[in-house]
Amino acid sequence: AQKVTQAQTEISVVEKEDVTLDCVYETRDTTYYLFWYKQPPSGELVFLIRRNSFDEQNEISGRYSWNFQKSTSSFNFTITASQVVDSAVYFCALSENSNYQLIWGAGTKLIIKP
Amino acid sequence: DSGVTQTPKHLITATGQRVTLRCSPRSGDLSVYWYQQSLDQGLQFLIQYYNGEERAKGNILERFSAQQFPDLHSELNLSSLELGDSALYFCASSVMDRGYEQYFGPGTRLTVT
Repeated sequence: AQKVTQAQTEISVVEKEDVTLDCVYETRDTTYYLFWYKQPPSGELVFLIRRNSFDEQNEISGRYSWNFQKSTSSFNFTITASQVVDSAVYFCALSENSNYQLIWGAGTKLIIKP
Repeated sequence: DSGVTQTPKHLITATGQRVTLRCSPRSGDLSVYWYQQSLDQGLQFLIQYYNGEERAKGNILERFSAQQFPDLHSELNLSSLELGDSALYFCASSVMDRGYEQYFGPGTRLTVT
């Protein structure tokens, strides 16, 4: 069955540290898509990245980077030189070609202390 | 700004009442999703529409219903409200019915007293 696991419920680091948020997924589909979303304390949900199952290239966007490894069914998210503004809940999600519903992880609350 | 609009932003109502939440998707998006997020909880998927047709149903109570209109805006109707229905209700839209990122509106915070 399809599933997304974000085992880290909460992570707390000091500003400027690097931090990695883990995401492990389960699917039987060969075509699927993975996403990361950010929900800051203000409450809105912000789309960060979409990755399809055929593209295992890592992606970097400023201080954000994503590591997609099909061999371990993981799609991890790293923030380099974290800042207080990175404090938020981060959600990983899975979309399968055979399923309309987006499967969400439980989220990881990231706290960046000054 | 995601381009998805939701009204109202806040709603306070009493138990037993009925409310309607409204959502306008991003221009060009055909799919609309509704989610419920209670305090300190994850996102609970309620229902999805694509080009006016229901596509998927999640944990939506029978007291709740939704529809998507020809102009693609959507409404979520919540009736016989209970205290436990107090939550943040999000609408999201995407260009297709699966496989594409969803863009979220700012949410409607519903408080049932």
